[in-house]
Amino acid sequence: KAGVTQTPRYLIKTRGQQVTLSCSPISGHRSVSWYQQTPGQGLQFLFEYFSETQRNKGNFPGRFSGRQFSNSRSEMNVSTLELGDSALYLCASSSGAVDTQYFGPGTRLTVL
Amino acid sequence: AQSVAQPEDQVNVAEGNPLTVKCTYSVSGNPYLFWYVQYPNRGLQFLLKYITGDNLVKGSYGFEAEFNKSQTSFHLKKPSALVSDSALYFCAAGYSSASKIIFGSGTRLSIRP
Repeated sequence: KAGVTQTPRYLIKTRGQQVTLSCSPISGHRSVSWYQQTPGQGLQFLFEYFSETQRNKGNFPGRFSGRQFSNSRSEMNVSTLELGDSALYLCASSSGAVDTQYFGPGTRLTVL
Repeated sequence: AQSVAQPEDQVNVAEGNPLTVKCTYSVSGNPYLFWYVQYPNRGLQFLLKYITGDNLVKGSYGFEAEFNKSQTSFHLKKPSALVSDSALYFCAAGYSSASKIIFGSGTRLSIRP
């Protein structure tokens, strides 16, 4: 089976812009979770989608949003980018929320 | 509150020596426990998991972990460390009641030749 893919791998944006990141899960996986990883804050949970519904949400401002499509592919959107949004954004898919999560390679976002 | 703690930010071990990376959890009910490894500029890779059964779980790359219910711990171990084991290791706990997995803060493992 193909692994989790994330596009793009690298992004450079300026403050105030918005960005959309994409994640394609492993075939058959219905749960997709998003994480933000920074050197200072570690790995922080953003949200989890299961069958097109947001099931869990972390403590991030409303500028961070996501959605999941009927084919389980997911997108994450960040509006009004801030310098502090610079991070590695990781997507993980699994059969269910507490099953083994399989991570993609991440999207490295740099906000200038 | 549910939480996962990795008390050591960094663990340094000489190649060939045994290694232990510590993890304790506070999760209601019967937890699902995981270890993941992350190499530079990569996503996390699954190493092993405990759901039920034998307290000693064997995983990838010669790693194993021991579930200790009384101490609420799930330490990662390897009998003989390799330089290539140097990476960032994450412990995680899942609880089905909230359909959620919580990750620890990570431990950087450094193996010196």
